[in-house]
Amino acid sequence: EPEVTQTPSHQVTQMGQEVILRCVPISNHLYFYWYRQILGQKVEFLVSFYNNEISEKSEIFDDQFSVERPDGSNFTLKIRSTKLEDSAMYFCASSVRQKLDTEAFFGQGTRLTVV
Amino acid sequence: GENVEQHPSTLSVQEGDSAVIKCTYSDSASNYFPWYKQELGKRPQLIIDIRSNVGEKKDQRIAVTLNKTAKHFSLHITETQPEDSAVYFCAASHWSDYKLSFGAGTTVTVRA
Repeated sequence: EPEVTQTPSHQVTQMGQEVILRCVPISNHLYFYWYRQILGQKVEFLVSFYNNEISEKSEIFDDQFSVERPDGSNFTLKIRSTKLEDSAMYFCASSVRQKLDTEAFFGQGTRLTVV
Repeated sequence: GENVEQHPSTLSVQEGDSAVIKCTYSDSASNYFPWYKQELGKRPQLIIDIRSNVGEKKDQRIAVTLNKTAKHFSLHITETQPEDSAVYFCAASHWSDYKLSFGAGTTVTVRA
């Protein structure tokens, strides 16, 4: 069964450093998403991406964040200068199309720890 | 924006009993309501979903009900088994944007 895969599974970084979280969506999917979950809190939407551009972003997704699809398979989330409050589990998801009938498939997550 | 509230935050049930998780949503335009199960250390996985043109949906031991007027929807698990132990998330979305707004999650523990 096809899966969304994320690397690394756990990333520890120093405050102020840049991190790149990587995701390989399911191959025939067209819509890509990043969500995050701070420990003990709800899963929050960050950004959606379609046709090589951001289609929607939340207020969390400020100028420190960026997304990119550098090739035909990877979808990355970059945090330019990490803060302690960026520590969270980051989930990538993908779907075939942005329609009612489509399931979003989630990756296993990357746990980001900023120290 | 959409705000989804989920209750209870934790639920402990005896094996074989039923479990019920309730969610409310704020945006009357939301019309898609999935439920995800997340086992420890694993990814969220869709277990059932319901659309606003349906009031109830069932899949074996799992059922979901939707009350559009009251803006709430519920997950029902019957004949619970130890493997049902997990965190369950409800979510809401509108067809025009697949951005999911999640509830805070319910940790379900099934006691053998």
